[in-house]
Amino acid sequence: NAGVMQNPRHLVRRRGQEARLRCSPMKGHSHVYWYRQLPEEGLKFMVYLQKENIIDESGMPKERFSAEFPKEGPSILRIQQVVRGDSAAYFCASSPLGTAQKLFFGSGTQLSVL
Amino acid sequence: GIQVEQSPPDLILQEGANSTLRCNFSDSVNNLQWFHQNPWGQLINLFYIPSGTKQNGRLSATTVATERYSLLYISSSQTTDSGVYFCAVDKNNFNKFYFGSGTKLNVKP
Repeated sequence: NAGVMQNPRHLVRRRGQEARLRCSPMKGHSHVYWYRQLPEEGLKFMVYLQKENIIDESGMPKERFSAEFPKEGPSILRIQQVVRGDSAAYFCASSPLGTAQKLFFGSGTQLSVL
Repeated sequence: GIQVEQSPPDLILQEGANSTLRCNFSDSVNNLQWFHQNPWGQLINLFYIPSGTKQNGRLSATTVATERYSLLYISSSQTTDSGVYFCAVDKNNFNKFYFGSGTKLNVKP
């Protein structure tokens, strides 16, 4: 049973470009969460999605950031017109239910903005 | 949001030593988990422990929800225990976690 799969593992973008981060949840999990980790800090919640629905996006910056979890395929975190401050590790987690569960994280995508 | 404070921020141990990591949180919570982030950045879920005590091998954890703290015990530490240990809490059971800043552990051979 594969774990939460994230790709790419590392992503380098120049300022102004777009970044697309992908997350495939564990088999049987329909709830996906995105978190961001700045250097030397803990993770911060960004968004919680179910298939075709955004449940809670209270941690998402209002501009340039969007997330989706389509009926088919992986969840996508999209960052438009990246800036240096977007450089961070982005982690995806999944759970079978939306309520209190042990959370399983992917290996993360390290985004570097030049 | 909920404030989560972890102590100590840094810890250096000799292999074989024991240690206790602490997590204090500012509000009542329904979910608390401990994670280990290894030197390669991978996050491993150690315990789901909103209350009570659990043990898994050399690791154990205790959460006293009424007093808003949790402790992670590491016994007979090994070099592979090195990394950052995070405590994360969720108030409303929706897996919207607030993370502490972590305890960075370095176990020396």
